[in-house]
Order: sequence, then structure tokens, then C-alpha cells
Amino acid sequence: QSALTQPASVSGSPGQSITISCTGTSRDVGAYDLVSWYQQHPDKAPKLIIYEDTKRPSGVSNRFSGSKSGNTASLTISGLQAEDEAHYYCSSFAGTKTWVFGGGTRLTVL
Amino acid sequence: QVQLQESGPGLVQPSETLSLTCTVSGVSISSSSYYWGWIRQPPGKGLEWIGSFSYAMGTFYNPSLKSRVAISADTSKNHLSLNLTSVTAADTGVYFCARQHWLLYYFDSWGQGNLVTVSS
Repeated sequence: QSALTQPASVSGSPGQSITISCTGTSRDVGAYDLVSWYQQHPDKAPKLIIYEDTKRPSGVSNRFSGSKSGNTASLTISGLQAEDEAHYYCSSFAGTKTWVFGGGTRLTVL
Repeated sequence: QVQLQESGPGLVQPSETLSLTCTVSGVSISSSSYYWGWIRQPPGKGLEWIGSFSYAMGTFYNPSLKSRVAISADTSKNHLSLNLTSVTAADTGVYFCARQHWLLYYFDSWGQGNLVTVSS
């Protein structure tokens, strides 16, 4: 069981859109529609922002959207705001009741 | 509204056992609607799933930690326990407990985390 692969960092200017990728394998990301995404601000607990590949929990801004193609899931944040600056983590069910996280991506709002 | 609170020592000696408790309020840990997970985060690094407990389905562990970890539950106190044996400095980090959806498996509620440092 290996960690999912995410870019270490991405950046964008306010109002722009950015996309964070999350690459796994045919045994995890590609096998199930069970990718979730989490936002984590410094010294805070992670917060769920996307589940089941594309769904948003109640209360999460519609500026956040998820997608998936094959073994790669993606998180897109549109209309970037200063408050979006945080770390973002993907996670996937990996079969036989195990779960795996990505290494995390630091988003900088320029 | 569910709340989760981790508690335990902030400092553990190398080779000893790390023991943490997650106290849950607002929902019973014996509910079949949820799993309960432990996740850790080394300083400045990413999240790592440690294991999950389901009252109905049992306990599941990260294969890389399985030989050293045990998760148990006390339904009378509505809390979960994490024990990690033979710790080293690599086990230093913030330990979170979180609620998991029973079918879709996402972690939707988290505790604030408990920093554990392994050092002599």
C-alpha cells in the first residue's frame, strides 16, 4: 500500500482556478468511486471538502469540485480566495478495508 | 452534533507504548452507520491512516503498522483507544481520530489532534 501521488505545491492568483491531481493505481483510485479530499489549515484538523469522487458536503463552497479519470483524481478550486490557502489531501479506499492518503499539496494564493 | 476529543501523554519514551483515547460525544460508537478511524501526521508531513474500528464489522489496520497497533472500543464510555507499541522517533506526530461513513468511507468529523513526541 503506497501513498497516493500529489504535487508538492501549486499556486494561483485570486480569482483564478487551480487543479490538484491525485494519482493512484487500479487497486485504489481506479477501482472505486471513493476518493475524498480534505483541506487543512495550519495547526487545524483536516476538513472534508469532496467525497465519492465528485460530491460536496453541505456547507462546502461550490468553488470546490472533484473529478476522476482512470487512476487519477483531481480537485479544482475556482475563483481562488485568500482563505483557500492551505494544504489539500486526497484519500482513497484501497480494498480489503484499508485506506490511503496522498502526500498533500500546499496551495499558495499569490 | 458529533464531537471527538483525543487525549493522552504528549511525550513517550522510545521502545515504549503510545496510548491515546478518543472520546466521542453526540453519537454512539456502536452505531452501524459509522466507522471510527485513527490518522497521524508527522511534523511538516502528510496524513497516514493507522486503522479503523467498526462495532459491526471489526477492526482494520494499515499493513505497515499492523504488527504494532491495536484499536479497541469501550462502548460504556463511548470512547476508542489506540495503542502503538515499540515506538521510535518516526512515530512522532499529531494523532487524530475521525468518524468515517460506513459505506462511502470518507472522514467527515475530526478531533483536534493530540501531539505525541517520542523522545528520551
